Amino acid sequence: AQKITQTQPGMFVQEKEAVTLDCTYDTSDPSYGLFWYKQPSSGEMIFLIYQGSYDQQNATEGRYSLNFQKARKSANLVISASQLGDSAMYFCAMREGRGRFSGGYNKLIFGAGTRLAVHP
Amino acid sequence: GAVVSQHPSRVICKSGTSVKIECRSLDFQATTMFWYRQFPKQSLMLMATSNEGSKATYEQGVEKDKFLINHASLTLSTLTVTSAHPEDSSFYICSASPGTNEKLFFGSGTQLSVL
Repeated sequence: AQKITQTQPGMFVQEKEAVTLDCTYDTSDPSYGLFWYKQPSSGEMIFLIYQGSYDQQNATEGRYSLNFQKARKSANLVISASQLGDSAMYFCAMREGRGRFSGGYNKLIFGAGTRLAVHP
Repeated sequence: GAVVSQHPSRVICKSGTSVKIECRSLDFQATTMFWYRQFPKQSLMLMATSNEGSKATYEQGVEKDKFLINHASLTLSTLTVTSAHPEDSSFYICSASPGTNEKLFFGSGTQLSVL
C-alpha cells in the first residue's frame, strides 16, 4: 500500500507568490515523523522541514511551513514568497518509529515527488 | 549542520566489474546508515539499512549478493555493486542520522553508469 502520496507531478508558480505542495500519508503507527526534502538538479537532498506526529503546532522554517492536518493525514508544504532558486523536485517522506528517542532507527519512505518550477 | 560525504560522485564502469561507493559521516557517529536508489525522474527507493558491526537489512526485492553493504565503523558504510550490468545504472544516495536527531542527512549521491 502507498504510504506517502504526492498527487502533483508538477507545479508552476510565479516568483514571489506562495505555493502549496500536497502530501498525504498512511500509517497505523501513532508515532511518526514527516519530512520534506528539496532535490535540485545536482541531485543532493536538502532537508527543509520536519513535523512530529505529537507536535502540537505546525512546523515552520523560514519561508517553509508545514500544514499538518493529522485527522486528514496530510502534511502539505507551503513555500511563501517563491524564488527562482526554489525550482527543484520536492519530496515528502515519512518515518514510522518508536518516537523521538527510538535509538536512531530513522528509515524514511519517500513519495513520488513534485517538480516545482518558479517563473519570473 | 551534520555532513555526510559520498564518494565517488560519478562512476562509469564496464559490464561485469564491481564498483564500491563510500558514505562517510564527517562530524558525527552513525550506527545506522541507509542506501537509496533513484532512477531518472523517480523517487528514492530504500535499498537497505546498514548497521554498524552487523549485517545489513535489505528491502524486499533487493539482491543482497548483488549489493554488498559493509558498515565497518561508526563513520563509514560502503555499497559495492558486484558484477554490474547496464540495468544497475542509477543514482545511488546514502543517508545517516546522528542518532536521536530527527533529521536524516544525505550524501551528494553517486551516478553509476554501466556500459
